[in-house]
Amino acid sequence: ETGVTQSPTHLIKTRGQQVTLRCSSQSGHNTVSWYQQALGQGPQFIFQYYREEENGRGNFPPRFSGLQFPNYSSELNVNALELDDSALYLCASSPAAGYEQYFGPGTRLTVT
Amino acid sequence: KNEVEQSPQNLTAQEGEFITINCSYSVGISALHWLQQHPGGGIVSLFMLSSGKKKHGRLIATINIQEKHSSLHITASHPRDSAVYICAVLYNTDKLIFGTGTRLQVFP
Repeated sequence: ETGVTQSPTHLIKTRGQQVTLRCSSQSGHNTVSWYQQALGQGPQFIFQYYREEENGRGNFPPRFSGLQFPNYSSELNVNALELDDSALYLCASSPAAGYEQYFGPGTRLTVT
Repeated sequence: KNEVEQSPQNLTAQEGEFITINCSYSVGISALHWLQQHPGGGIVSLFMLSSGKKKHGRLIATINIQEKHSSLHITASHPRDSAVYICAVLYNTDKLIFGTGTRLQVFP
């Protein structure tokens, strides 16, 4: 059974650019959640997708958007990058909403 | 005031000691996670519980829903237990609200 994977591992972007981060869910999981973890802070909920539909959203602006595909893999897109977007981005999958979440290794984004 | 508070923020222990990390929360929840995060970022889910007590190896987690409090215990601690331990509460069925973590260092 393959766990949750994320790509890329590290990424450096310039302010104003756009970025796409990818997450492959654990086999059999139809729910994926995305989190942002700034240095020294706990993760913050960005949004959750359940069966390709957004199922909940945290306090993030619309320039943070997502997609979930029929195979339940997912993307996080961030437009007009700001310096404060520099963080570790984590995705987590679960068999359904409300069940235990399994985390990927994260993508570390640096915005310069 | 954060919705999820953990204590202590930092903890050092000698190998073999019994360790307790506490988590208090102020919102109604459907479940609570205990997570472990090593340097480099990867997060491992240790427990998800909504009542009572769970045990896995040397780790024990308890929750008191009425008091909005949970504890994570590590028996016979070992240097490989050194990590950040994070309490996260599941609000509704979609949103995990995280504490800021407890940094544990266990010395040989």
